Amino acid sequence: SQKIEQNSEALNIQEGKTATLTCNYTNYSPAYLQWYRQDPGRGPVFLLLIRENEKEKRKERLKVTFDTTLKQSLFHITASQPADSATYLCALETAGGFKTIFGAGTRLFVKA
Amino acid sequence: DAGVIQSPRHEVTEMGQEVTLRCKPISGHDYLFWYRQTMMRGLELLIYFNNNVPIDDSGMPEDRFSAKMPNASFSTLKIQPSEPRDSAVYFCASSSDSGPRNEQFFGPGTRLTVL
Repeated sequence: SQKIEQNSEALNIQEGKTATLTCNYTNYSPAYLQWYRQDPGRGPVFLLLIRENEKEKRKERLKVTFDTTLKQSLFHITASQPADSATYLCALETAGGFKTIFGAGTRLFVKA
Repeated sequence: DAGVIQSPRHEVTEMGQEVTLRCKPISGHDYLFWYRQTMMRGLELLIYFNNNVPIDDSGMPEDRFSAKMPNASFSTLKIQPSEPRDSAVYFCASSSDSGPRNEQFFGPGTRLTVL
């Protein structure tokens, strides 16, 4: 069956360190992979999109990698700050449609 | 633009009652999505519309759920009759085919509690 797996355990890191979150998927052939941020009591907010033919994408302190062979995406936040504390969701979209499937998310805590 | 607007923000109702959730997408967006989020199941796509036409409703749990989009600026998600297992946060999102590929803009959500 189709699955998207993100670390269910919260990730705790120290301010200034790099946070790395993982998204693994099975039985999908996504054309696009996205990362969203969700704060408590709010809707998800789009961060980055990476296409299947792209290996890496960067935006300010954020970096996303996409390995279609491993069926995995890594999401990095460099020089992390307490304000980066939130839940991060990965989402897959297959080609030809706008149907997006979300992972359960990983909670990140950045300590000052 | 005010972003995606949802109402009500909170709804508490009793089992068996009809519930209607409302959504106003961002002006100019031609895709509208309804999601449900629970701790157990995460964020699930229920249905999405393109140019007011339902495209994929395979995520709608059962016949008690229905969604309409009578015009480009308004959509409703109705649950009739409601059950306690419908308790969740319901999000509406919109996106544009002309913008960054499927960057979805989410509303603040409606927290539904069915007693």
